[in-house]
This record gives sequence, C-alpha cells and structure tokens, in this order.
Amino acid sequence: DGGITQSPKYLFRKEGQNVTLSCEQNLNHDAMYWYRQDPGQGLRLIYYSQIVNDFQKGDIAEGYSVSREKKESFPLTVTSAQKNPTAFYLCASSETQDSGNTIYFGEGSWLTVV
Amino acid sequence: AQSVTQLDSQVPVFEEAPVELRCNYSSSVSVYLFWYVQYPNQGLQLLLKYLSGSTLVESINGFEAEFNKSQTSFHLRKPSVHISDTAEYFCAVSEGSSASKIIFGSGTRLSIRP
Repeated sequence: DGGITQSPKYLFRKEGQNVTLSCEQNLNHDAMYWYRQDPGQGLRLIYYSQIVNDFQKGDIAEGYSVSREKKESFPLTVTSAQKNPTAFYLCASSETQDSGNTIYFGEGSWLTVV
Repeated sequence: AQSVTQLDSQVPVFEEAPVELRCNYSSSVSVYLFWYVQYPNQGLQLLLKYLSGSTLVESINGFEAEFNKSQTSFHLRKPSVHISDTAEYFCAVSEGSSASKIIFGSGTRLSIRP
C-alpha cells in the first residue's frame, strides 16, 4: 500500500545529542513537510521541500535540519540547539505544492529528551 | 494574515447524538478549507475539504461541513455520532498558492460517551 513511513515511532534522546527521524514515502509526491505537534496546539511547520535537492524553512526551523537527496526520503535531524525538542513529529507529503492538494501524513514519531 | 480558531478544545457528546465542531478563520482573500481527523497516536487524515463550488461538502463517514463566507466559518457537523468517531479534529485554512502556507487550528477533541 502507498503511504508515508516514519521511524522510529518512539525515541529517547539525552540532552546535547542530535537525533534523526526518518521519513519515507512511496506516493511519488513532489512535496514533503515536517510538522511539530505539541499538546493543545495545532501543527507548526518546521521545514518543507517542493522538489528533490530543495528545501525551505518553515515557521520554527531553528534547531532543526533536513535533507532531500531522494524524492521519497526527507529525514529530519533534531540538533542539540533545539531548546525544547520533546514533541510529536509528523512527516507529510502532497502531490505538488499547490495549496488545494490534500496533505498526507505519516503516523508520527514521539521524541522525548531525558 | 490568515488564522484559524477552533472555539472548543473539547466536545463531549453521547453516542447517536448530533455534534457540531466550530471553526472560524480570518483571511482577506479567497481560501481553501480543510478538516483533518487524528486518531490516538496517529497522523492526520483528510476528512473533507472545500476548494470551490458547492458550499456544503461531505465525507464518506457521515460528516459534513458548510463554508459560510459572510461568517468566515467552516463548521463540521454529524447528525449521529458513533464511538469510533472519538478523535481530535483539526480545521485548516490555506490562502496562499503553496500548501506549505496551510494553517492548522489548535484542534477539538471529540469524546463520545456510550
């Protein structure tokens, strides 16, 4: 089945460590996104990519980095510079960047800093 | 700038009762409107969307939403809810040309009592 696969589902990180969240899609979508979700809040955009080898900062990019070397992959690195990284992270994709397109989401990754 | 307000953070209802989840937005231009549903520990799934045409849009599982331009609202309704509808519902609005500009509301948690 086509979809978006995020791994790991649960991740614990010690303070000062970088961690990378994986996101793979087999929907053949051009655009991919990373969102952060905190309790009682909506989704906030971290980074997005319209096409391979291109990505743009979203609203809360500080302390995060991404790469888009392949169409199907868009990993997110949470660096030690991110002051409050504990959150639920959602990867998503859409066929193109057009605003009427449906955004498809992965099942998310829980990151906890211990 | 666009914004989305979901007026109720939680809505408890009894099974088979009707429900309305409220969503208001602010924007000075034409918008696309979405409702997404999130089941526990999962990503979001599109429930329905308004792009143009008929102001009443329906989902396959009995939900409907009506775009009201004069009141800048896009409330979600269902005449009779089921236990399986227990989830968090997010209203979203997109006014730009890019899907990366979509703004999500803070969510409404719908809890169904037997």
